[in-house]
Amino acid sequence: DGGITQSPKYLFRKEGQNVTLSCEQNLNHDAMYWYRQDPGQGLRLIYYSQIVNDFQKGDIAEGYSVSREKKESFPLTVTSAQKNPTAFYLCASSMRRVEAFFGQGTRLTVV
Amino acid sequence: AQRVTQPEKLLSVFKGAPVELKCNYSYSGSPELFWYVQYSRQRLQLLLRHISRESIKGFTADLNKGETSFHLKKPFAQEEDSAMYYCALNGGSQGNLIFGKGTKLSVKP
Repeated sequence: DGGITQSPKYLFRKEGQNVTLSCEQNLNHDAMYWYRQDPGQGLRLIYYSQIVNDFQKGDIAEGYSVSREKKESFPLTVTSAQKNPTAFYLCASSMRRVEAFFGQGTRLTVV
Repeated sequence: AQRVTQPEKLLSVFKGAPVELKCNYSYSGSPELFWYVQYSRQRLQLLLRHISRESIKGFTADLNKGETSFHLKKPFAQEEDSAMYYCALNGGSQGNLIFGKGTKLSVKP
């Protein structure tokens, strides 16, 4: 069953902790993206990667880090430097300049 | 700079009324534009793209390069159309997707 999977669905983080959100796709897509979705803000691009071992900062990369060691995986780490990490995070993948497919999202809450 | 603007945060119409969700873009080259939809408790998914010039679920969108717009239209709204709609631009050599802030469409009975 092809698709893009994010885990976990819900994640709780204590102040000062780093947490990593998982994103895996078996669609053989080259490009992968991480977005943050806040009410009234739409989707804001955090990082994107067009190829393995390469990634680019989006509009709100500060406080986040990513890696792209494998084509099918694009994990996002929310570091303690991110001052307002509570949000809904969406991962997507696409072939270049074609439709993007989205995961179900991860809701991160700082406690 | 590449930018997508959706001026309406919320659009509320009655069932059977026409609906138009506005989208304007800023891009220097030849853009590829999309409309994505997010129904309640479902993942974000593609509704339509300008290159296909198709109608999906009764929705159409025409790219107007002169006005740099890609408005989404439907002549008769249905209650099941209630959702969050995002206009997106795929531009640049790196092909990063840029989204607008979204418009929440509410169709009342």
